[in-house]
Amino acid sequence: AQSVTQPDIHITVSEGASLELRCNYSYGATPYLFWYVQSPGQGLQLLLKYFSGDTLVQGIKGFEAEFKRSQSSFNLRKPSVHWSDAAEYFCAVGATGGGNKLTFGTGTQLKVEL
Amino acid sequence: SQTIHQWPATLVQPVGSPLSLECTVEGTSNPNLYWYRQAAGRGLQLLFYSVGIGQISSEVPQNLSASRPQDRQFILSSKKLLLSDSGFYLCASQGAVRGTEAFFGQGTRLTVV
Repeated sequence: AQSVTQPDIHITVSEGASLELRCNYSYGATPYLFWYVQSPGQGLQLLLKYFSGDTLVQGIKGFEAEFKRSQSSFNLRKPSVHWSDAAEYFCAVGATGGGNKLTFGTGTQLKVEL
Repeated sequence: SQTIHQWPATLVQPVGSPLSLECTVEGTSNPNLYWYRQAAGRGLQLLFYSVGIGQISSEVPQNLSASRPQDRQFILSSKKLLLSDSGFYLCASQGAVRGTEAFFGQGTRLTVV
């Protein structure tokens, strides 16, 4: 069965600083990987996704993620964080069966200091 | 893209009362539908998923049930709520093709008192 680990529960960065959120996955085949963002009390919004091809994926709001098969990682990055990026971020891996469901990590709460 | 309508946004219910949360989807046909529950620090727990009308799979044993009476309608129910049913419930819709993204509703905050 697939699984996702987000080792950082909370991260605090200063506005304008760079950001990297870690995600490690476990999956037996080529994974489909996603990053979602959630503002307080809201649903989840897709930031970016990886299916195949170029391992560096660009998303919305200036985010990017790099797929590294050798490290089973799909880390999310942003070169300069804005105060509005404060939210919770979830990494997810797609399944092959069982309704094509996504398995989510436990999330990383991002705080941005002004 | 898809739009997921989920209501109510917040709900306070006494222990032992029934529950019905509704989710409807626009902008797609024959989606896979999901109910997730979110607890602080525990990520998203998949409760139920459905690949078609009347087809429900349960991921975890619990006090809740789900139904899909129409292609784009997904309902989460309980006959008698427990305190442990409190949480943030999210409905999601996803295409049947592997690797498609999931679209989420805005969620329902359920507090059982």
